[in-house]
Amino acid sequence: DGGITQSPKYLFRKEGQNVTLSCEQNLNHDAMYWYRQDPGQGLRLIYYSQIVNDFQKGDIAEGYSVSREKKESFPLTVTSAQKNPTAFYLCASSPRGAGSSYEQYFGPGTRLTVT
Amino acid sequence: AQKITQTQPGMFVQEKEAVTLDCTYDTSDQSYGLFWYKQPSSGEMIFLIYQGSYDEQNATEGRYSLNFQKARKSANLVISASQLGDSAMYFCAMRGLEYGNKLVFGAGTILRVKS
Repeated sequence: DGGITQSPKYLFRKEGQNVTLSCEQNLNHDAMYWYRQDPGQGLRLIYYSQIVNDFQKGDIAEGYSVSREKKESFPLTVTSAQKNPTAFYLCASSPRGAGSSYEQYFGPGTRLTVT
Repeated sequence: AQKITQTQPGMFVQEKEAVTLDCTYDTSDQSYGLFWYKQPSSGEMIFLIYQGSYDEQNATEGRYSLNFQKARKSANLVISASQLGDSAMYFCAMRGLEYGNKLVFGAGTILRVKS
């Protein structure tokens, strides 16, 4: 079945450690996105990528880094510079980066807790 | 200025009744897309319905319909015949050139269906 996988579902880390969240899609989508969601709030865009080897900062990129070496994969690293990393992280993809009619397909999310 | 506004933090509806979730948006684009997503307690984001700014008819998908009033810049979601499984968080989102063709989300509305 085609879709987006994020692993693991729950992740625990000690403060000061970098952690990488995985996102893989087999939908052959060009564009991929990372969002952060805090309790009771909407989604905020961290980074997005419209093609391989290219990505742009979203609204809250500080303390995060990404790579897009393969079309299928868009890992997110939460660095120790991110002041409040505990959150729910959602990865998404869409068929094209441009064009207003394409919805985004979401993965199941990773809940990161940093203590 | 808020790009997407969902004024109802929480709503209750009796099972089998219809409910309207409000969404207003702000854009100077002529061409844009409006989306509604459902987020159950599991965290996944489920795409429900899409409305293009040039679509003359309101979008419908099964029990979901979108009450699109372009002049008022509103895109309310109507759920008919509510079911217990409709209890979730609902997000309105918009995509357009003004916002770099990125999906911009509202803060969401929690819907609780009562039996």
